[in-house]
Amino acid sequence: QVQLQQSGAELVKPGSSVKISCKASGYTFTSYDMHWIKQQPGNGLEWIGWIYPGNGNTKYNQKFNGKATLTADKSSSTAYMQLSSLTSEDSAVYFCARYEFGVLDYWGQGVMVTVSS
Amino acid sequence: DIQMTQTPSSMPASLGERVTISCRASQGISNYLNWYQQKPDGTIKPLIYYTSNLQSGVPSRFSGSGSGTDYSLTISSLEPEDFAMYYCQQYDSSPPTFGAGTKLELK
Repeated sequence: QVQLQQSGAELVKPGSSVKISCKASGYTFTSYDMHWIKQQPGNGLEWIGWIYPGNGNTKYNQKFNGKATLTADKSSSTAYMQLSSLTSEDSAVYFCARYEFGVLDYWGQGVMVTVSS
Repeated sequence: DIQMTQTPSSMPASLGERVTISCRASQGISNYLNWYQQKPDGTIKPLIYYTSNLQSGVPSRFSGSGSGTDYSLTISSLEPEDFAMYYCQQYDSSPPTFGAGTKLELK
């Protein structure tokens, strides 16, 4: 069965970076786009971007250009998102989700990132 | 970006009740509209894709309809596991955008 297992919660300092992971199993990792979504309390869901692990192609929400960097490791079927120059506005839960035919059909459990000194 | 306005933001309802959640796009989205459910533990799953198509494994009490800028999700008879957050999402144009969500609460 398809599973997306995300890394654990992060507590990071302002101005630093963090890299969170999303390990895929149960399907061919290189054949599906992986999307990333941000959820802040009371702020709903916000699309960050996607990566196609087959060739590394990426597309970002303009709002997250320079903030998020998406990568993928085919050998371990793991997608990564690095967030840089962190501020309190980056404190949120971050989800990875597989994409097929217009639908985010499988989601990870989410990673809470807290930015605090 | 296309703005998605969901109403109501919260809805108290009873078991067995029929409920409808609405979603309005700031411009026409040609039926490129999905619905997702988020449980209290944070897990998210798709319910409806392309306005009215039931995702595999989703009970038939869920249905979707709409066109142009106006879309809706209907649950025909509420079960205990349906009390959750619901989000609409358009994918007609990039970036994909979500509604702010509707919290379905037990009355």
